[in-house]
Amino acid sequence: GAGVSQSPSNKVTEKGKDVELRCDPISGHTALYWYRQRLGQGLEFLIYFQGNSAPDKSGLPSDRFSAERTGESVSTLTIQRTQQEDSAVYLCASSVTGSSNQPQHFGDGTRLSIL
Amino acid sequence: GENVEQHPSTLSVQEGDSAVIKCTYSDSASNYFPWYKQELGKRPQLIIDIRSNVGEKKDQRIAVTLNKTAKHFSLHITETQPEDSAVYFCAASVRSQGNLIFGKGTKLSVKP
Repeated sequence: GAGVSQSPSNKVTEKGKDVELRCDPISGHTALYWYRQRLGQGLEFLIYFQGNSAPDKSGLPSDRFSAERTGESVSTLTIQRTQQEDSAVYLCASSVTGSSNQPQHFGDGTRLSIL
Repeated sequence: GENVEQHPSTLSVQEGDSAVIKCTYSDSASNYFPWYKQELGKRPQLIIDIRSNVGEKKDQRIAVTLNKTAKHFSLHITETQPEDSAVYFCAASVRSQGNLIFGKGTKLSVKP
């Protein structure tokens, strides 16, 4: 079946603009995760959705970052007033459930460049 | 919170040799330890995982070992091939949470 789908694949924007990144999880997966990967670095957890529970926002680096998820489907990650340090690849993953021992499957990511 | 350390940061081996990458974690409540392979510009791909009730798991040329007492786990790749060249990430997941905490990655180069 289809994997995790993310759009756009690349986004270039000017400092100070808002951006929206989209993630379509694998059908039937109830848990959805956003991670950030700076160039040459590991993955940094941002936010996690599990079913209808309140999201775990503990990884969001500032209040300029927010995310929403409609039911158990699409999620959007919004970055307001972008800064150059926001430049990174934003990766989305989904898993069957939010249980801590379930495999997470990643999308191809959105490469965000802030000029 | 959980912290994952990964070593080495780079590893170069000759084709056919074995490669070992080691990770340590800090939170004894961690119960799930996946390994991801990431080729340049591509998505991280899950290659093997292990749960805390198991000490070792093998899948063809890849194996993972877990020592819960010492809080470390390792990836072993035997008979390495040039296509094994990539960045490998270890991760840990705490029982009460769903997100993964990743190590900083190991760049593996397999020379023909």
